[in-house]
Amino acid sequence: DTGVSQNPRHKITKRGQNVTFRCDPISEHNRLYWYRQTLGQGPEFLTYFQNEAQLEKSRLLSDRFSAERPKGSFSTLEIQRTEQGDSAMYLCASSLGSGGNTDTQYFGPGTRLTVL
Amino acid sequence: AQKITQTQPGMFVQEKEAVTLDCTYDTSDQSYGLFWYKQPSSGEMIFLIYQGSYDEQNATEGRYSLNFQKARKSANLVISASQLGDSAMYFCAMREFDMGRRALTFGSGTRLQVQP
Repeated sequence: DTGVSQNPRHKITKRGQNVTFRCDPISEHNRLYWYRQTLGQGPEFLTYFQNEAQLEKSRLLSDRFSAERPKGSFSTLEIQRTEQGDSAMYLCASSLGSGGNTDTQYFGPGTRLTVL
Repeated sequence: AQKITQTQPGMFVQEKEAVTLDCTYDTSDQSYGLFWYKQPSSGEMIFLIYQGSYDEQNATEGRYSLNFQKARKSANLVISASQLGDSAMYFCAMREFDMGRRALTFGSGTRLQVQP
């Protein structure tokens, strides 16, 4: 039983470059979430997918950020024209979505982005 | 106003002793869920325990229990018989159900250090 996986684990980029992260959820989980965590803070919600539909987006998700989940399995998060303020850990989570309120979110190891 | 407040930035506990990590929350939803996650230095968020707002019994999961006081809007995590491997950041999180939202809102965390 594999958990949520994220690639790459670390990314260093120069300001102004585009970066893309990938998340593979737990198989059969139909909900997928992206969060951002800066140093010393708890994660902050960015966006969520039910299958391939993006159903909720935070105001934190500026127009430089785009997320996709084209076939309802893996997801990508792209940041265009990166800024130093984008430096953070980007966490992906998935949940079964089978109904009921618990619907626990299980997290991946994260991608740490450093923008120079 | 902060939705989740964790007032203890850091806590120390002796191995084999019990420790309580505080969490208070703020919501106007009638239906909500409270979660605790552990984040070791490796970065992955590990789900520990869940409490629903309508659950009459306090949740327990092995050495973890949740002291839920709905009128006081608190959901403190109790770890019994602390182990060295419990040293990590601990985050309290809430999901508000009334509008069908899926996002988790996290507190700023408590760093627990277990001493031998």
